[in-house]
Amino acid sequence: DAGVIQSPRHEVTEMGQEVTLRCKPISGHDYLFWYRQTMMRGLELLIYFNNNVPIDDSGMPEDRFSAKMPNASFSTLKIQPSEPRDSAVYFCASNSAGGYSPLHFGNGTRLTVT
Amino acid sequence: AQTVTQSQPEMSVQEAETVTLSCTYDTSESDYYLFWYKQPPSRQMILVIRQEAYKQQNATENRFSVNFQKAAKSFSLKISDSQLGDAAMYFCAYKESNYQLIWGAGTKLIIKP
Repeated sequence: DAGVIQSPRHEVTEMGQEVTLRCKPISGHDYLFWYRQTMMRGLELLIYFNNNVPIDDSGMPEDRFSAKMPNASFSTLKIQPSEPRDSAVYFCASNSAGGYSPLHFGNGTRLTVT
Repeated sequence: AQTVTQSQPEMSVQEAETVTLSCTYDTSESDYYLFWYKQPPSRQMILVIRQEAYKQQNATENRFSVNFQKAAKSFSLKISDSQLGDAAMYFCAYKESNYQLIWGAGTKLIIKP
């Protein structure tokens, strides 16, 4: 299996622009998670899906952030409009059902908003 | 609420020596799961080892082993024969059933050649 695939690996954009991050989970995984990692706040869960349905989006910072999972093999995280404080590494991760099932992470997208 | 504490922001060890990273957690549950992940400079999050709370036997994966003390709510990671490639941030995480992972703040491990 190719693992969790994220794109792009790096994104540099100007404040006010729309940013779309993409994720392809591992085939057969029921759960998909979006995380944000910064030095100040560490690893934060933004939102997670179960069988393509958003279950908990309480970690989404504000209305500028939105996430979708139109099918089992694709998810997007969109920031519109982007702000410099959104600069971070964004991870997508997936796992199958069962508490012992570990999270499999993508390589992350490093977002820089200038 | 469940919390995970990694009290060592940074640890260093001589190559080939053994190091132990500490992790404690707070929960009122009896059935849960614990994980250690490493994040090298490449930033990829990699599973190191996992433990089911109902299993008394400590998990082992090659040079990595845990000391799981359920009553003390402690889940430390021991790395034997440390190698330069072990240099990374190490994160401890807690999970109940299918719920989200609760993460510690991480410990930066430095390997001295």
